[in-house]
Formats: sequence, C-alpha cells, structure tokens
Amino acid sequence: EIVLTQSPATLSLSPGERATLSCRASQSVSSYLAWYQQKPGQAPRLLIYDASNRATGIPARFSGSGSGTDFTLTISSLEPEDFAVYYCQQRSNWPPTFGPGTKVDIK
Amino acid sequence: QVQLVQSGAEVKKPGSSVKVSCKASGGTFSSYTISWVRQAPGQGLEWMGRIIPILGIANYAQKFQGRVTITADKSTSTAYMELSSLRSEDTAVYYCARVQDGDLDYWGQGTLVTVSS
Repeated sequence: EIVLTQSPATLSLSPGERATLSCRASQSVSSYLAWYQQKPGQAPRLLIYDASNRATGIPARFSGSGSGTDFTLTISSLEPEDFAVYYCQQRSNWPPTFGPGTKVDIK
Repeated sequence: QVQLVQSGAEVKKPGSSVKVSCKASGGTFSSYTISWVRQAPGQGLEWMGRIIPILGIANYAQKFQGRVTITADKSTSTAYMELSSLRSEDTAVYYCARVQDGDLDYWGQGTLVTVSS
C-alpha cells in the first residue's frame, strides 16, 4: 500500500497570502495524484486531478504540480473560503490511499 | 449533474451490522463506479472499496476484506455498503462517491454511524 505524507500538518496564514502544501508518496505514483478540500461538516471536494488539472468549477488560484513522489498544491492568494483541510490521494496502486491532510487556518 | 443522496444516521451495538445506502441521480448509474470512504471523528479519509454496477464487481481494501460488502441495484440507481461485526472503532462518517478516472468527483452528504453499547 502506498503511503502518502503531507506537510505541514497545519499552515497558519492570512487572507491574501500564498499557501504551499506538500504531498510525498512512498513510491512513484506517476501523475495519478488528486487533491481534495474539506470544510467542517462537509464532504470533500475534488480540486485537482492527475497532479495538475483543475476540476470543473475550481478557481484558477488553485494549482497543482509534481510527478513521481513529490507533489505540491499552491493557492496563490488565500480567500476566506479557502481555510479548510486539504488531502492528497493517489490512484496509481490499489487500494487508493489518502494523505493525513494539511489544515490551512487563519493566522 | 450527478447527485448522491445517502441514508440517515445510524446507532448500532458492537457486533451488529449496518447497511448504508447511496441513491444516485443524473448521469447513467450503470456506467459509474461508486466508492465508499469513511472518516472517523477528527481523522482523515479511508478508502473502503468500490463497485462497478454494470459489471456487479466489487473490490475491497484489505483492511475491510471479510467485513464489508458493497452492492448495487441498477433498477433503483442505489449503491449499498454493509459493514458487519461492528466495533467502536467503526464509528465514523461514511461517504459514497462517484469515481471518474480514479478520482472522486461527486460525493454523498455522508452518513454518521455510531457504534456504542
């Protein structure tokens, strides 16, 4: 089973700042990595698929990069609604696995 | 627009079973793959398994093998997840989600299952 590690666990930033979230895989997942956003009491929402493609309706301030074992989710300028938990997920190997999440909270 | 609506919250005794439903609308249910993911209180996401309704084939994460059964009824566009031999550690919100090219693009609202004596 592929293990995903996310860092940092918590990121404290102010609105308007840039957020950089990291996801590292225990072995190569090629580009088969997705990012999800989850707000309290809500289901996760797909943000990025195949490492760098924005899902339908996702604002351009969200971008993903990376391949192999190292991936980054960048939020170029944080909006108030972006404070949430972000999970990465790989689909390269069965079973699909999620990282433990990065919480982006308001500084 | 795909919509997934799940059944309501459940409270179960240790050792019993729970069956959660997930009714789909929009799109063509038979062509979906539906996955189940759970989230324990304050914890991360855990993939349990999936079903391809058109084939009737289900695959499970090893952790849940033998305890979980995922089925689908094409006539009602509903997927089901049954978890048996419940223990307190199974207390969680259970989500169904549509799989599109391996990614989960539409999610149900979640069903809280509480296991308590």
